[in-house]
Amino acid sequence: AQSVAQPEDQVNVAEGNPLTVKCTYSVSGNPYLFWYVQYPNRGLQFLLKYITGDNLVKGSYGFEAEFNKSQTSFHLKKPSALVSDSALYFCAVRDGAGTYKYIFGTGTRLKVLA
Amino acid sequence: DTGVSQDPRHKITKRGQNVTFRCDPISEHNRLYWYRQTLGQGPEFLTYFQNEAQLEKSRLLSDRFSAERPKGSFSTLEIQRTEQGDSAMYLCASSLIESTGELFFGEGSRLTVL
Repeated sequence: AQSVAQPEDQVNVAEGNPLTVKCTYSVSGNPYLFWYVQYPNRGLQFLLKYITGDNLVKGSYGFEAEFNKSQTSFHLKKPSALVSDSALYFCAVRDGAGTYKYIFGTGTRLKVLA
Repeated sequence: DTGVSQDPRHKITKRGQNVTFRCDPISEHNRLYWYRQTLGQGPEFLTYFQNEAQLEKSRLLSDRFSAERPKGSFSTLEIQRTEQGDSAMYLCASSLIESTGELFFGEGSRLTVL
């Protein structure tokens, strides 16, 4: 069965500093990996995805993520955090071996301090 | 606006009543998903459709829950005999039939069961 873990409930970072939000996954086939962001009282917004190819993928708002197959991780990163990046971030995985079900992690609250 | 729309946005009901939520996906999207999200948690998969066919349903979904997508366009999620534990945000998402497509989410329908 596919699963996703986000080990940190909250990440605090100073504005202008780099940020990392961690995600590890488990699937039986090739993973399709996604990051979403959720602002208060809003739906989830897609940030970026890894399907195949380069391990470093770039997405919206300056975010990027690094796929590491040996560590089964897909950490979200940004070189310089903004206060407006403060939100709830979700990692999701779909097992490429047939199912079209997406499984989400429990989320990490990012707080960027001015 | 051509995004995913959900109705109603908020529903307050008494325990034991039936409620129905509607989701209109992005028009060309063939797949439609329902998720449930409680406070501080990630979206929990409920079910998904490809066109009008319901292809997978979570084992966590009791028989009080039923979803339909009769013409392969909009979908409804009905909860019968609501319980206080059903209080949550119900999220709808849609995607293209391509195998790697990301999900596009609506704003959600918040259910409060008194």
